[in-house]
Amino acid sequence: EADIYQTPRYLVIGTGKKITLECSQTMGHDKMYWYQQDPGMELHLIHYSYGVNSTEKGDLSSESTVSRIRTEHFPLTLESARPSHTSQYLCASSASGTAALPLHFGNGTRLTVT
Amino acid sequence: AQTVTQSQPEMSVQEAETVTLSCTYDTSESNYYLFWYKQPPSRQMILVIRQEAYKQQNATENRFSVNFQKAAKSFSLKISDSQLGDTAMYFCAFRTQGGSEKLVFGKGTKLTVNP
Repeated sequence: EADIYQTPRYLVIGTGKKITLECSQTMGHDKMYWYQQDPGMELHLIHYSYGVNSTEKGDLSSESTVSRIRTEHFPLTLESARPSHTSQYLCASSASGTAALPLHFGNGTRLTVT
Repeated sequence: AQTVTQSQPEMSVQEAETVTLSCTYDTSESNYYLFWYKQPPSRQMILVIRQEAYKQQNATENRFSVNFQKAAKSFSLKISDSQLGDTAMYFCAFRTQGGSEKLVFGKGTKLTVNP
C-alpha cells in the first residue's frame, strides 16, 4: 500500500468558510498532484508540484490554492468555500526520474459545501 | 493536447468470465506511458497495469492483460476469471515524459462483477 494520507476523509462545511485539505506522503516523492473528481466522473488535475517551493496550476481552473513548504506535505486551501466546490479531492505523488513510475493516490477527501 | 476516451460507461460480467474494457487515446508524442487504474467504491485508487509505448509486447499482471495497438492508439484491458473484488471504476490514463508528467484520465468504466 502507498503511504500517502489525506485528511479529513469527509468534510461538510457551510458557505464562506475557509478550509484546508491535508495531504502527506512518507515516500520522499518530489512530485505531488491534486485532482478533482465529481462522483462517477473522470479526474481533473487542478494543481501540481515538482518539489519544495514549486507549485503550478493544472488543467482545470480552480479557486483553491496550494503550498509546498516541505517535501512530504502538499495542502490545498479554499479561502471561501462555495457549493460549487462540492466534489472529491484526490492527492497523489510520484517519484522523479521517469514517467513510467505510477502515481500513488490517497483515499481522497469528499467535500460538501452547504 | 492529449485525450483519453473510454467509450463504455458501464459494463457487467459474470464471476469467472472474461471482460475487456476499451480505451483509445490521442497524442502527437512518441514517448509515453499508459496505465489502467482501479477505484473500488469508497476506496483508494490503485494501479492495475502499465505499458511503455516503446514496448511492443503487451503487459500482463496475473489475471490482467492489455492489448496495446500503438498505430491505432488503442489500449484495452482484459480481465480474466473475473472476481467479485474486481467490481470498481476503471480508469485508463496517459502520461508523457517531461514537463508536469501529469496523468490524463479517461472518464472511466464502471465494472460490476455479478455472482
